Amino acid sequence: DAGVTQSPTHLIKTRGQQVTLRCSPKSGHDTVSWYQQALGQGPQFIFQYYEEEERQRGNFPDRFSGHQFPNYSSELNVNALLLGDSALYLCASSLNREDQPQHFGDGTRLSIL
Amino acid sequence: SQELEQSPQSLIVQEGKNLTINCTSSKTLYGLYWYKQKYGEGLIFLMMLQKGGEEKSHEKITAKLDEKKQQSSLHITASQPSHAGIYLCGAPPTFWGNEKLTFGTGTRLTIIP
Repeated sequence: DAGVTQSPTHLIKTRGQQVTLRCSPKSGHDTVSWYQQALGQGPQFIFQYYEEEERQRGNFPDRFSGHQFPNYSSELNVNALLLGDSALYLCASSLNREDQPQHFGDGTRLSIL
Repeated sequence: SQELEQSPQSLIVQEGKNLTINCTSSKTLYGLYWYKQKYGEGLIFLMMLQKGGEEKSHEKITAKLDEKKQQSSLHITASQPSHAGIYLCGAPPTFWGNEKLTFGTGTRLTIIP
């Protein structure tokens, strides 16, 4: 049973570019959340998708957008990259039930030069 | 907004010794999740606590939730090298645990032989 998978593992971009990160949820999960983790910090919530719609959003600018597909997989897009966007981006999936924990992937390490 | 403070920030423990990590919330705790993270990798789900006074154990790790103190503790008995890593606590804003999680900054645990 595959867990949450993310691609790519590492990515290097320059300022001003755009990037797309991908996430496949754990089998059977229907909800996908994205988090940003800066070095030495805890993960910060970006947004959550359920039934192909953004259900919740954290304190991130509109440069951060996402999408969920009918198969529950998801993409995170970041436009006009800034140096401060360098971080580990984590995807978490879960079942849409109150007693279900979020399971995380191994993340995508994004470096902005 | 909710803030989670973890203590200590780092811990060096001799193999075989017991240890405790604390997580204190600035607001009411509706639940508490504990995760473990190896450096630069994804989060591994450890335990979910949903009710005040709840205590759960998995192998040599025990977690408790004290909702009156707005605090949770994670206790490891007879520590092993495999316990080394960063421990993160995360809390949802309501009883619906599937929502966005606010995380602490983590406790870095080092086990020495």
